[in-house]
Amino acid sequence: QLQLVQSGAEVKKPGASVKVSCKASGDTFTKSYIHWVRQAPGQGLEWMGLINPSGDYTHYAQKFQGTVTMTRDTSTSTLYMELSSLRSEDTAVYFCARLQRAGAGDGFDIWGQGTLVTVSS
Amino acid sequence: DIQLTQSPSFLSASVGDRVTITCRASQGIRTYVAWYQQKPGKAPKLLIYGASSLQSGVPSRFSGSGSGTEFTLTISSLQPEDFATYHCQHLNSYPFTFGPGTKVDIK
Repeated sequence: QLQLVQSGAEVKKPGASVKVSCKASGDTFTKSYIHWVRQAPGQGLEWMGLINPSGDYTHYAQKFQGTVTMTRDTSTSTLYMELSSLRSEDTAVYFCARLQRAGAGDGFDIWGQGTLVTVSS
Repeated sequence: DIQLTQSPSFLSASVGDRVTITCRASQGIRTYVAWYQQKPGKAPKLLIYGASSLQSGVPSRFSGSGSGTEFTLTISSLQPEDFATYHCQHLNSYPFTFGPGTKVDIK
């Protein structure tokens, strides 16, 4: 069974970058599309983008194009999401999640525990 | 981009109540809808995928229906552990947007 364990909370200044990691354990990692979702305090879920199993394809939400980079290191089974040019509005909990593909439809069936990123001067 | 709305945004209910939450899409998304339950400080939990398929391990009191632009999540008999926020999501095309959420609270 795949498990996703994320890195710890971060505090960053406006304009800085943050890199959140998501370490996978389990034998399905190499077959899994991983998505990133964020949730600002008291707000809903916001889809950011995805990376494919081999790490050579990414797709980002238009809002994050130019500021987000998603990568994966297959040797360590670790995914990374780097967000640059941070603003206070980027304060949120960031989740990685595995896309489950079933015959009847798709969904995010396995989630990391979340990483709180606080942007404050 | 496809937009999702949910109604109600908040509902107050009692244990044993039947609860229905609606999710509407700005354009047709076939049955590419998932529903999640989220409790404070926790990651979302997948309940329903493909609009009506129950995720493994999820109690049968949860059910989903719909296709096209209108979808519903029903809890047949609300249990104490069901008080949470519920989110719909479409997976028809990128971006995989979420609805704004419905908070289910104790009456």
